[in-house]
Amino acid sequence: SQQGEEDPQALSIQEGENATMNCSYKTSINNLQWYRQNSGRGLVHLILIRSNEREKHSGRLRVTLDTSKKSSSLLITASRAADTASYFCATVPNSGNTPLVFGKGTRLSVIA
Amino acid sequence: DTGVSQDPRHKITKRGQNVTFRCDPISEHNRLYWYRQTLGQGPEFLTYFQNEAQLEKSRLLSDRFSAERPKGSFSTLEIQRTEQGDSAMYLCASSAYGYTFGSGTRLTVV
Repeated sequence: SQQGEEDPQALSIQEGENATMNCSYKTSINNLQWYRQNSGRGLVHLILIRSNEREKHSGRLRVTLDTSKKSSSLLITASRAADTASYFCATVPNSGNTPLVFGKGTRLSVIA
Repeated sequence: DTGVSQDPRHKITKRGQNVTFRCDPISEHNRLYWYRQTLGQGPEFLTYFQNEAQLEKSRLLSDRFSAERPKGSFSTLEIQRTEQGDSAMYLCASSAYGYTFGSGTRLTVV
């Protein structure tokens, strides 16, 4: 089963614009992670935010976490055509040593 | 050791045949995971190992699926009597703290 729901399912923007993707989840978590996947390839870890953190930055990425609303957002600033990919949020539940649970992803298209 | 390796990258098989995939994790990582991903969906958890012990199996893992990790190193995932519904990308990941994914094996059952 998949815990997270990303929103929107698909997003198309112009190069240079910012892209915001949202993720909602159901159970309490230890941490939340964002991954990127180019078409037909494996997943690449982008950023991890722990349940006691509210915001985290990495380069052009900014992640927020609101545990009261069970939601997270990923912001990519100054997008580039190379950012075109699917983006997934994944959670590590609080219930012991359980594996990552992924959402269905947001397909981002950045048009040059 | 540059990452998680999966072999083969692509596999086309006839319905009813058995297939086996291999995953070589990052050598220092004691946990190894198998996920399945169908088109337009996120990865779904199948099973995971800590060293050689298989600690959890998803309900997705029917009796036709078996996974092993002898000696706590590489892992194999076997699917017996393949069905068209088994067509998917099979992803392996290893972790010590963070997850590192391989490029996956794309299975097509015809």
